[in-house]
Amino acid sequence: GAGVSQTPSNKVTEKGKYVELRCDPISGHTALYWYRQSLGQGPEFLIYFQGTGAADDSGLPNDRFFAVRPEGSVSTLKIQRTERGDSAVYLCASSLRGKRLGGPNTGELFFGEGSRLTVL
Amino acid sequence: KQEVTQIPAALSVPEGENLVLNCSFTDSAIYNLQWFRQDPGKGLTSLLLIQSSQREQTSGRLNASLDKSSGRSTLYIAASQPGDSATYLCAPNTGGFKTIFGAGTRLFVKA
Repeated sequence: GAGVSQTPSNKVTEKGKYVELRCDPISGHTALYWYRQSLGQGPEFLIYFQGTGAADDSGLPNDRFFAVRPEGSVSTLKIQRTERGDSAVYLCASSLRGKRLGGPNTGELFFGEGSRLTVL
Repeated sequence: KQEVTQIPAALSVPEGENLVLNCSFTDSAIYNLQWFRQDPGKGLTSLLLIQSSQREQTSGRLNASLDKSSGRSTLYIAASQPGDSATYLCAPNTGGFKTIFGAGTRLFVKA
């Protein structure tokens, strides 16, 4: 697509429920990132995909968080047994940056509008 | 571990002023550095990208400089306008493809 698309834009759930957040990156972008942003703070890195594999998941806060990108395009961030502290805006970004790519490869990140998660 | 500091945290200026926003980072082994703008309740918009081999980039009234060895970048905004009011975020990208963000500078330009 023309830009990074994230759905849903808003999600309200109850504590203990399961949540999925979807990211559709810019067409052709091999790298995909998930970030989490709390009010008044900068985005916090969660996980980075290069193609289908998670190249760096060091930012995932605990094992309730999991992300997949099975076909190297759309990614889903999954949160189990949600807690009130999970409330935040979840941002997705994509870029052309990656290993052994031809053509332009500036590494510039492009972000979606985010998914606002509220856990009651 | 990369740490990013942005100064000032907030800034309020009258329209027409020239501004300098500062960013410092602890790990100078960066691949590139990006400046973003974020409007309330919105995602991040890329403003400028500086590769590690470059010293500065310009786009319209914006100019970003990079001094990698000292771990500093500045964003210069010329002739500020009310529409420039937003949060500005600095983000160096270090090895491992991880981009780390500062907390941002909240800018308010008064008409």
